[in-house]
Amino acid sequence: GAGVSQSPRYKVAKRGQDVALRCDPISGHVSLFWYQQALGQGPEFLTYFQNEAQLDKSGLPSDRFFAERPEGSVSTLKIQRTQQEDSAVYLCASSRNEKLFFGSGTQLSVL
Amino acid sequence: DAKTTQPPSMDCAEGRAANLPCNHSTISGNEYVYWYRQIHSQGPQYIIHGLKNNETNEMASLIITEDRKSSTLILPHATLRDTAVYYCIVRALNQAGTALIFGKGTTLSVSS
Repeated sequence: GAGVSQSPRYKVAKRGQDVALRCDPISGHVSLFWYQQALGQGPEFLTYFQNEAQLDKSGLPSDRFFAERPEGSVSTLKIQRTQQEDSAVYLCASSRNEKLFFGSGTQLSVL
Repeated sequence: DAKTTQPPSMDCAEGRAANLPCNHSTISGNEYVYWYRQIHSQGPQYIIHGLKNNETNEMASLIITEDRKSSTLILPHATLRDTAVYYCIVRALNQAGTALIFGKGTTLSVSS
């Protein structure tokens, strides 16, 4: 595809359930970022990959959050034992240079 | 924390120029000013960036003051589709792997 693709678009989870969010970056983009966006707030950085290497995970809010990009392309953000405060839009972005291209996000609702 | 300050909201009439201000008084010499916007239910979209010279592209113009402590994004002829949250961000260009740090941005409402 021409842009960054994220799936699912919407996810409803029961509290305590594990979820996995997928990001397909633009082909050839080395850098990949995950952001979390709460309602009415700007996106907040979670983690960054350069190819398959996770170079920065300083924004992950707890050890329940885990991200991987094993082949340097598709990335998965996993949240274990989801809590209500995890409800947010999760955005993925990829880049080859100074411009970031964002997907439309996955809206996660934890009930 | 975001290194920029923006007004929380602005209004603009359709067809008029929208001028969105941003203060970045602590900007470093190697940091660029980036603008992104986020339309409802979409991810942020790159608009423009600059270092110290004014920049223009098909979407907007960026005016940076001589002391680089503030800038203005100009949408010359705003349309209803320009209604969005506009984010002003500073980042060093050689830190391509460094995350963009978003603030709360300016919500621009364009009305007919």
